[in-house]
Amino acid sequence: AQTVTQSQPEMSVQEAETVTLSCTYDTSESNYYLFWYKQPPSRQMILVIRQEAYKQQNATENRFSVNFQKAAKSFSLKISDSQLGDTAMYFCAFMKQSSTLTFGKGTMLLVSP
Amino acid sequence: NAGVTQTPKFQVLKTGQSMTLQCAQDMNHNSMYWYRQDPGMGLRLIYYSASEGTTDKGEVPNGYNVSRLNKREFSLRLESAAPSQTSVYFCASSEALIGRFHEQYFGPGTRLTVT
Repeated sequence: AQTVTQSQPEMSVQEAETVTLSCTYDTSESNYYLFWYKQPPSRQMILVIRQEAYKQQNATENRFSVNFQKAAKSFSLKISDSQLGDTAMYFCAFMKQSSTLTFGKGTMLLVSP
Repeated sequence: NAGVTQTPKFQVLKTGQSMTLQCAQDMNHNSMYWYRQDPGMGLRLIYYSASEGTTDKGEVPNGYNVSRLNKREFSLRLESAAPSQTSVYFCASSEALIGRFHEQYFGPGTRLTVT
């Protein structure tokens, strides 16, 4: 079974600064997908960014980028120019092909003025 | 476009009562999922339906049953609620489970409290 570990239960950052959230995973698969989901206080789950394991290039979506280290089984999320609206719970998730999502326990990010 | 809808949004039950959580999607998706979210635990898969007419157990199926009523609707039933089932329940759907990646779209969640 796959496991996803987020070692930082809580993090805080000031507005306009950069923050990195950590995620490691364990799998014997060679082809899989990795995701970061954001859950703001509204409770809605929002897909932030995804990475396909066979792609070496790190995914980027505006202020959000990932550092994907396949050999180390590491998938960190970098948020640049943090905004108050980035305050949320962030979940790292793993999916092997033709299977279901496995989530980490989440990291609560607080962005302060 | 409503996406994934869930009813009710909140519910309080007494131990031993039964109830059904409803989920519907209007995106013509083949696959649907039920998750529960507990503090410090992330989201855990309860049951899923890869396609109409099929259902499979996820990580935490005990105490729950599901019905894929048609392509649009996937319900979750608690036959005899227990305090351990106090949680936030999310329904999700995706175009398919098999093959290449298909994004899962989540509903707004149902907060269930069992006293």
